[in-house]
Amino acid sequence: DIQLTQSPSSLSASVGDRVSITCQASQDISTSLNWYQQKSGKAPELLIYDASNLQSGVPSRFSGSGSGTDFTFTISNLQPEDFATYYCQQYDNIPPGFTFGPGTRVDF
Amino acid sequence: QVRLVESGGGVVQPGRSLRLSCAASGFIFNNFGMHWVRQAPGKGLEWVTIISYDGSNKYYADSVRGRFTISRDNSKSTLYLQMNSLRAEDTAVYYCARDFYTNSGRSFQDWGQGTLVTVSS
Repeated sequence: DIQLTQSPSSLSASVGDRVSITCQASQDISTSLNWYQQKSGKAPELLIYDASNLQSGVPSRFSGSGSGTDFTFTISNLQPEDFATYYCQQYDNIPPGFTFGPGTRVDF
Repeated sequence: QVRLVESGGGVVQPGRSLRLSCAASGFIFNNFGMHWVRQAPGKGLEWVTIISYDGSNKYYADSVRGRFTISRDNSKSTLYLQMNSLRAEDTAVYYCARDFYTNSGRSFQDWGQGTLVTVSS
């Protein structure tokens, strides 16, 4: 099974900051990597799919990059509503299975 | 707009059963695969199971295989999760989510608000 690690596990930032989170896969997953935001007490929301594609309706300050085993998620110009936990996720097709990273909490 | 509404959660004793439902609206339900994803209190996200658009294919996480069964009724636009032989470690918020095929893989495009299942004596 493919494992995902995220770093850091948490970070403190301020409004207007540029924030980056990394996700590393235990083997090559090409660009099959997605990013989600989860605010406290709420369901997750898909932000980035296929490593770098912005989901419809998601602000352009969110971006993703990477391929293979190393991926980066970036928030430029951090806004108050961006304080949340962020998860990466990948998909195995043989057999079908889905794995999430452990999450990165972004707070003040 | 897409709406997914879970129900059926509650407190249940270890070893007992519970069935969750997820009512879907705002999209053509029988065109999409559907998932259950769970989150234990204070923990991360764990994928549980997926069912294909027509119910013909189902896959499970190792942690629930043999105890949980996913099903759907396309005539009612409703997804189900039958949970048997429940354990304390099954305590979690259970989310239903719509499957999303991308060029490189698959993701969870839309999510319900979740329903809490607590397994405790």
